[in-house]
Amino acid sequence: RKEVEQDPGPFNVPEGATVAFNCTYSNSASQSFFWYRQDCRKEPKLLMSVYSSGNEDGRFTAQLNRASQYISLLIRDSKLSDSATYLCVGSNDYKLSFGAGTTVTVRA
Amino acid sequence: DTEVTQTPKHLVMGMTNKKSLKCEQHMGHRAMYWYKQKAKKPPELMFVYSYEKLSINESVPSRFSPECPNSSLLNLHLHALQPEDSALYLCASSRPGTGSEKLFFGSGTQLSVL
Repeated sequence: RKEVEQDPGPFNVPEGATVAFNCTYSNSASQSFFWYRQDCRKEPKLLMSVYSSGNEDGRFTAQLNRASQYISLLIRDSKLSDSATYLCVGSNDYKLSFGAGTTVTVRA
Repeated sequence: DTEVTQTPKHLVMGMTNKKSLKCEQHMGHRAMYWYKQKAKKPPELMFVYSYEKLSINESVPSRFSPECPNSSLLNLHLHALQPEDSALYLCASSRPGTGSEKLFFGSGTQLSVL
């Protein structure tokens, strides 16, 4: 079983829509969680950290549920530029476990 | 935080060649990483250096040899690679000991082994 599992999508949504997706993790020792964004043929870039209390960064909201061992990302008012693969990441010291990514395509 | 610089951006090599990938960061990060990423797959951890010492080797074949000459530089020496080693090789750095290892990635080296 993979440590971090994500729905690969793709999620195809119109501009302005809200899109949300989750990932689940199996290692209860994971200490920190993140969402990274990766564009085609580019490096992953940190989008946001994820906290149990839930946190927002503009149109992006992340949530961590330790009891159920899942992380969520919600994107409001989708823009064309939000089209990317979103990687869910769990961290235990130096070992980061990446999910396979969820592909989001925002259409005009 | 600024950036992680990797060179070269693209590399084509034969199976008998020896080449090196280079990575540099000047953010004062004391943990540096090598990841390998195949198309449509997540990055896979290869090596972690913490304070210039190798702390994690994810059972990587010996044809990949990492080196950390100082706190800003990380190299990956390649020798006798196989075609299946073709991939995007990503270097990353982080501030260790924070309990929250946010990685900053370089733009990667796209490696093709013929």
